Order: sequence, then structure tokens, then C-alpha cells
Amino acid sequence: ETGVTQSPTHLIKTRGQQVTLRCSSQSGHNTVSWYQQALGQGPQFIFQYYREEENGRGNFPPRFSGLQFPNYSSELNVNALELDDSALYLCASSLIGQETQYFGPGTRLLVL
Amino acid sequence: GDSVTQMEGPVTLSEEAFLTINCTYTATGYPSLFWYVQYPGEGLQLLLKATKADDKGSNKGFEATYRKETTSFHLEKGSVQVSDSAVYFCALSPSGNTGKLIFGQGTTLQVKP
Repeated sequence: ETGVTQSPTHLIKTRGQQVTLRCSSQSGHNTVSWYQQALGQGPQFIFQYYREEENGRGNFPPRFSGLQFPNYSSELNVNALELDDSALYLCASSLIGQETQYFGPGTRLLVL
Repeated sequence: GDSVTQMEGPVTLSEEAFLTINCTYTATGYPSLFWYVQYPGEGLQLLLKATKADDKGSNKGFEATYRKETTSFHLEKGSVQVSDSAVYFCALSPSGNTGKLIFGQGTTLQVKP
């Protein structure tokens, strides 16, 4: 059974740029959720995707957007990067209707 | 809104000591409760969960009991090891399975030999 994978592991961008982070869900899972974890904090829910559509969103601005593909993999896109976007971005997969989520190793984004 | 509060860290213990990390929650209805662990430089791993009142989740010597009367889900282990050093997160899944988890701020555990 393949676990959740994310790429890249680390990324450095400058303020105002755009970034795309990628996630492959665990085998057999059909939903993907994205979280932002600032240093020293707990993860904050950004949104979840199911059947290639957004299926719930946290308190994040529209410049955070996502995609889910037919193979259930997903992308997180962040436009107009701000310094406060520096964080660990975690992807989690699950089966729709099941509450347990399984996390990937994360992508650490640094915005300068 | 729903929220989770964990005890402040870091918690520093000697090997074989007893561990308690407190977690309380605020939620409507009947959330499911989780403990996740994060080792340095890694993502989150599910440690244990409980889905209804009085359920006890357990894994790798760790236990937590869902206490609705005190809205708590404290994590315990009878004898910690150096390898248990990590950050522990308490989380809830709101009633109705909204697809999101709400996390506490995390508690760092340091176990010294």
C-alpha cells in the first residue's frame, strides 16, 4: 500500500510569486485535504477535494486554490505569495465518509 | 466554533516516566477525536482515535479516553521511551463529517535517557 506523497520537499519563493504544490493520495483513497502548518502551530485546514471539486474550505483567501485529478492526486496553488505564507503544507487523504485522514510528509515553503 | 486546547509544552520526562498530555475540546454534537504525532522533519502520523463517548483509543502503549462530561481526551502512556520524543497533536473531526480536522497547537515531548 502506497502512502501519501508530496512534492517538492522544500521550496523557496519571493513575495508576489505563485507556487504549485503536489500530492498523491494513498492507494484507494478518493479525497484529498490540504493544511497549512505555521512554525510552532497546529495544522490549519485549507480545503478538501472530492470528485475533482472543492468539498469544504477553511478560512483562507481565494488566492489559495486547488485541483484534484481523475487519479485522485491534487495540487495546491497559491498566488501572490506573502511572507506569512511561509509554512509547512500538508496533504492528507481519506475515503469520503471516513473521518480518519492520513498525512504526507509535507512541503516546506519559505517566502522571502 | 469548534476548537481544541492542549497543555503548553515542552514536557520533559525521564525514560520510563508516566506521561499525560491534556487535551480539551469545544464542539457541538458528537465529534470524533484523534491524537497525531509528528517526529522532527516529518508529517503527521495517526496515533489513536475514538469516535464516541467513553471509547478508549490505544496504540503503541498510548491510550486516551473520550470523556464527554469533561470534554476531554487526555493522552497517557505508562512508561515513555526516548523514541517517543516528538510533537503530539490533539484533533477533532466535527459532527457531520465536514471533511476537516481541527487541531490543537501541539505539545512537544522530550524524553531524556
